[in-house]
Amino acid sequence: AQTVTQSQPEMSVQEAETVTLSCTYDTSESNYYLFWYKQPPSRQMILVIRQEAYKQQNATENRFSVNFQKAAKSFSLKISDSQLGDTAMYFCAFMTPRSYNTDKLIFGTGTRLQVFP
Amino acid sequence: DAGVIQSPRHEVTEMGQEVTLRCKPISGHDYLFWYRQTMMRGLELLIYFNNNVPIDDSGMPEDRFSAKMPNASFSTLKIQPSEPRDSAVYFCASSPGTDRGDTEAFFGQGTRLTVV
Repeated sequence: AQTVTQSQPEMSVQEAETVTLSCTYDTSESNYYLFWYKQPPSRQMILVIRQEAYKQQNATENRFSVNFQKAAKSFSLKISDSQLGDTAMYFCAFMTPRSYNTDKLIFGTGTRLQVFP
Repeated sequence: DAGVIQSPRHEVTEMGQEVTLRCKPISGHDYLFWYRQTMMRGLELLIYFNNNVPIDDSGMPEDRFSAKMPNASFSTLKIQPSEPRDSAVYFCASSPGTDRGDTEAFFGQGTRLTVV
């Protein structure tokens, strides 16, 4: 069974600094998708960035980038130039397409990020 | 499209009562997911549907939980009888599906359920 592990329940960073959130996963699949979702205090879930396993290049979205290490089954999120609005819960997620449980989307337990001024 | 719509936003009920949570997915999305969020366990996948058919309900905690999707525009999650440990935020999400070339899941605002 696929699992997603986020080992950092809470993290904090000062405004304008860089922070990295960790995520590891376990799967026997060769093709899959990985995601980071953000949940601000409003409770809305927002997609931050996604990565396809067959793509070697790390995904980047403005200040957000990932470090995808397929062999190590690691998928960390780097937030550069942190802003107060980045304060939120961040969830790592995994999806298996084209397998028995196709498009099954599972999440880690989350990392609460606090950005201080 | 108005996005994924869940109702109610908040629900307070007494232990033993039946609770029904509702979800309207985004039109044209093939997949619908139900999640439960708690501090201890994060976002747990309860069940998901593809084209109105349940694909995996292994996350449903007990027989007290049931979910249906009678058509492409409506799904319910029912808890009968409810217990205090069911208190959580329940999210519904929908996605077009990888067969349509889009993996992004769109979430509703969630229903905060409190069972007293």
